[in-house]
Amino acid sequence: QQQVKQSPQSLIVQKGGISIINCAYENTAFDYFPWYQQFPGKGPALLIAIRPDVSEKKEGRFTISFNKSAKQFSLHIMDSQPGDSATYFCAATRFSGGYNKLIFGAGTRLAVHP
Amino acid sequence: EPEVTQTPSHQVTQMGQEVILRCVPISNHLYFYWYRQILGQKVEFLVSFYNNEISEKSEIFDDQFSVERPDGSNFTLKIRSTKLEDSAMYFCASSEEGRYTGELFFGEGSRLTVL
Repeated sequence: QQQVKQSPQSLIVQKGGISIINCAYENTAFDYFPWYQQFPGKGPALLIAIRPDVSEKKEGRFTISFNKSAKQFSLHIMDSQPGDSATYFCAATRFSGGYNKLIFGAGTRLAVHP
Repeated sequence: EPEVTQTPSHQVTQMGQEVILRCVPISNHLYFYWYRQILGQKVEFLVSFYNNEISEKSEIFDDQFSVERPDGSNFTLKIRSTKLEDSAMYFCASSEEGRYTGELFFGEGSRLTVL
């Protein structure tokens, strides 16, 4: 019940295309869903996050779509650029007493070709 | 911009040896975490730490592991007797107290290789 399932494992997109990464969770107690971006040799960094009381959140070219009834959420990267090439992790957490224990998906390696 | 710093960046050790990984969290953060990432796999929660005690630990965090905040700035992860399967990238992270953003700030990681 603690799992977050992420797909696809890898994704190749042409420059200017749309990248879509999907995640599904089981635990309905999760109440915060961040996406982290990781470049090689670096730690994960928060990209965008959503709470389950909204169905969509957009920040620049990045959009999270959230479907509470299906327990699914996805990341859309519009106008994908070579600089977006990285590994993307979805995560979920249930806020608990001040700290956040993130449960990560398996990651999606995105390659954006020029 | 404040950041989480970790040392060493890479450590090679023999099986059975003790290893200490060090982290300096962001100065005004009070929640600290260790995560690990086995090569090519997902990032896994190990432990969270607040007010000088463990808040939560995963099943991975067995008796071989311990954490400590020896002074006001450092946060350490000790592996008492390393095993081959401990080879991984270990990430330290920190977050602000009472701020429900979900944002954990991660360091660049310490790569541990156990031979």
